[in-house]
Amino acid sequence: EDQVTQSPEALRLQEGESSSLNCSYTVSGLRGLFWYRQDPGKGPEFLFTLYSAGEEKEKERLKATLTKKESFLHITAPKPEDSATYLCAVVSGSARQLTFGSGTQLTVLP
Amino acid sequence: GAVVSQHPSWVICKSGTSVKIECRSLDFQATTMFWYRQFPKQSLMLMATSNEGSKATYEQGVEKDKFLINHASLTLSTLTVTSAHPEDSSFYICSAFDTRSSYEQYFGPGTRLTVT
Repeated sequence: EDQVTQSPEALRLQEGESSSLNCSYTVSGLRGLFWYRQDPGKGPEFLFTLYSAGEEKEKERLKATLTKKESFLHITAPKPEDSATYLCAVVSGSARQLTFGSGTQLTVLP
Repeated sequence: GAVVSQHPSWVICKSGTSVKIECRSLDFQATTMFWYRQFPKQSLMLMATSNEGSKATYEQGVEKDKFLINHASLTLSTLTVTSAHPEDSSFYICSAFDTRSSYEQYFGPGTRLTVT
């Protein structure tokens, strides 16, 4: 059974204070690892897909990396508008269903 | 990126009535859509997989007679909550699998259901 664990559960940063969110996974045959951002009362917003170890993707202040066991979402010089819950999910084998982690609630203070 | 819409965005209904929620892929065809339920401060829980032209596949513990799913076209899936009860109150989110983008899924904005 696929398992996804995100840490920390919650993270409070000062504006401009860079940090990383962790997503550890245990799957049989990783097809893809996904990062989403979710604001309160809204559906998840797609951020990145990573397919193989060593892959990196960037978007504005966010950078996602992938190893064989975990993924990191690096946030550089965050702003208050980056405050949200960040969700990690995997797809494995022949299935198309996403297996989600419990999320990291990020708060960036001005 | 691909856009998925949901309607309505929120609904209040009385106990015992049925509510239909629509999920549409606006700029792509989706042979597969998924329905999730989310409780406050929790992650998304997959309820069912909806495949165009065939019966939905429900996750363990999800009552298929209570949560009716119909995927009538390549751009539309509907979730009907039948004989709703207060415990069915939740945030329902759909996602659509874009076959053009490998395994990427795009989510709708969600529907807040409140049963009184």
